[in-house]
Amino acid sequence: GENVEQHPSTLSVQEGDSAVIKCTYSDSASNYFPWYKQELGKRPQLIIDIRSNVGEKKDQRIAVTLNKTAKHFSLHITETQPEDSAVYFCAASPTANTGNQFYFGTGTSLTVIP
Amino acid sequence: NAGVTQTPKFRILKIGQSMTLQCTQDMNHNYMYWYRQDPGMGLKLIYYSVGAGITDKGEVPNGYNVSRSTTEDFPLRLELAAPSQTSVYFCASGGWTSGLKQYFGPGTRLTVT
Repeated sequence: GENVEQHPSTLSVQEGDSAVIKCTYSDSASNYFPWYKQELGKRPQLIIDIRSNVGEKKDQRIAVTLNKTAKHFSLHITETQPEDSAVYFCAASPTANTGNQFYFGTGTSLTVIP
Repeated sequence: NAGVTQTPKFRILKIGQSMTLQCTQDMNHNYMYWYRQDPGMGLKLIYYSVGAGITDKGEVPNGYNVSRSTTEDFPLRLELAAPSQTSVYFCASGGWTSGLKQYFGPGTRLTVT
């Protein structure tokens, strides 16, 4: 099955700086890549996603890039704010398989220092 | 829409006891999922369902059972609870009608002692 690796596991940035989280995947059939934000004690919330026919997608301060050849994708957060502090998870999905299963990375704990 | 709801929020079980975690969605999603999240780890898929009457195993199905008699409900059954099943359990729903996105419930925190 699919294997997703996520780096770094922890990340601290000063408020206003940018944060970048990287994920790699193993299954070339994966074609859907969502990112989730999880605050302490809360459910994962979808923040952005990208499909394999697109190289980059942006939503205000958040962007995701995808390199299908290298099998990696990244989350970019610009002008970070304290409320961006959370754990971020990437996932990959070979949507052609049964059930549109997601395979999650192990998470990145982001701390934004005021 | 309430989205995805789960009950209970918290539960403590003794080793060997059984329980059912409830999950309901009101978004008419055809796909539903059960994940577990251990401390400091990502989400692991336990079981999933692509529609009423159809279920299949995920990455970590041992010790669990599911059923899907309606589109809305997807209960997860734990038989003979073990300490290794101490975790936070999330139900999610999605599918083609949601553009492949998965939406999560609030979770159930289970402790087995």
